[in-house]
Amino acid sequence: QSVLTQPPSVSGAPGQRVTISCTGSSSNIGAGYDVHWYRQVPGTAPKVLIYGNNNRPSGVPDRFSGSKSGTSASLAITGLQAEDEADYYCQSYDISLTGSRVFGGGTKVTVL
Amino acid sequence: EVQLVESGGGLVQSGGSLRLSCAASGFTFSNYAMTWVRQAPGKGLEWVSTIVTNGASTYYAVSVKGRFTISRDNSKNTLYLQMNSLRAEDTALYYCAKDQLSAYWLDSWGQGTLVTVSS
Repeated sequence: QSVLTQPPSVSGAPGQRVTISCTGSSSNIGAGYDVHWYRQVPGTAPKVLIYGNNNRPSGVPDRFSGSKSGTSASLAITGLQAEDEADYYCQSYDISLTGSRVFGGGTKVTVL
Repeated sequence: EVQLVESGGGLVQSGGSLRLSCAASGFTFSNYAMTWVRQAPGKGLEWVSTIVTNGASTYYAVSVKGRFTISRDNSKNTLYLQMNSLRAEDTALYYCAKDQLSAYWLDSWGQGTLVTVSS
């Protein structure tokens, strides 16, 4: 059971907007710690997509955006493209165990 | 360009030991914390351990504390994970990652090394 909760899957047609939720608690997201998002194409290593709640590393299209409120965060993908099919993970820090980086269980995005 | 190359994975019997290495290049290794993350087959990501820049502080997931030891050699730009008393549930692809310690995120990842523990 992951500390952060994500839906197992989301899907959308090309061009549509999809969102992925990430729900935490008062010991991680709700304690004010930033949320980061990673994208993993099957068979490859994860790559950071969003850091610090809503910042994109260079090279990440602005179709990807992040937000955070209370004990939750969201990743939005607009203008969905076939190449967006991948697994997406949220990550934060949890004060219940010093040094603990915590992940969501991952969400599989399917482009219909 | 940041490069992280893991090695040392393999097949080991339950109760055995293994040491993973992660060779870093393309950045000033001694300036960054480093982290190990693992992914069991078909499962999600699990944080394993983090070490600060000079190795003075280390942090472990509950699932590995007391069995795994993270260390680093800044003169060799290399991160290590000594894994003892291995269990079947430790079977996973182990990634090393460059850690933005102050904000707790992982900005670069290696390709991983596979550890398989047979029972």
